[in-house]
Amino acid sequence: DIVMTQSPDSLTVSLGERATINCKSSQSILYSSDNKNYLAWYKQKPGQPPKLLVSWASIRESGVPDRFSGSGSGSDFTLTISSLQAEDSAVYYCQQYYASPYTFGQGTSLEI
Amino acid sequence: QVQLVQSGAEVKKPGASVRLSCKASGFTFRNYYMHWVRQAPGQGLEWMGIIYPSGETTSYARKFQGRVTMTRDTATSTVYLQLTRLRAEDTAVYFCARDPSGEDYFDHWGQGTLLTVSS
Repeated sequence: DIVMTQSPDSLTVSLGERATINCKSSQSILYSSDNKNYLAWYKQKPGQPPKLLVSWASIRESGVPDRFSGSGSGSDFTLTISSLQAEDSAVYYCQQYYASPYTFGQGTSLEI
Repeated sequence: QVQLVQSGAEVKKPGASVRLSCKASGFTFRNYYMHWVRQAPGQGLEWMGIIYPSGETTSYARKFQGRVTMTRDTATSTVYLQLTRLRAEDTAVYFCARDPSGEDYFDHWGQGTLLTVSS
């Protein structure tokens, strides 16, 4: 199984500042035939289901603010949240969909 | 708008079985792959399996094989998760999730169903 490891486990960032969350996969999740990275990012607030933010490592979902951006390739990925707002306080998960079983990182708790 | 509405909380004894449901609306249900993901209290997310649009094909995480069955009813736009031989470690919130393109990530989620397994 592909193991997804996020860092840090938690972080506290001030309003208006930038937060960076890292995600590393135990093997490359870049599929050579289509040159796509099979990685998604989700945001989860307490008592709610996860919300999809980014797919294909860098494609922001419709309606997601442009302060959220995904980057990286191969086995190293980053979610950057610029100009943090209070509502960005949540747990963030990365997920690989390169190979079954589809696995998630352990989550990063972001406090503002 | 896309909605996935799940059944209510369940309390079961160890060794029992449970069937959870997830009713879809706002999209053409028969065209979409559906997944189940669970989250133990205070823990991360764990993918359980997928059911194809036809309902004839499923694929389960190795951990659950032999205990899990996913089915779907196109007439009612509902997907089901059955889990047997329950144990305390199955206590979790269970989410159904829609796969937007058959690529195995999840663009819409149900609200979750809490399953508690306790003697």
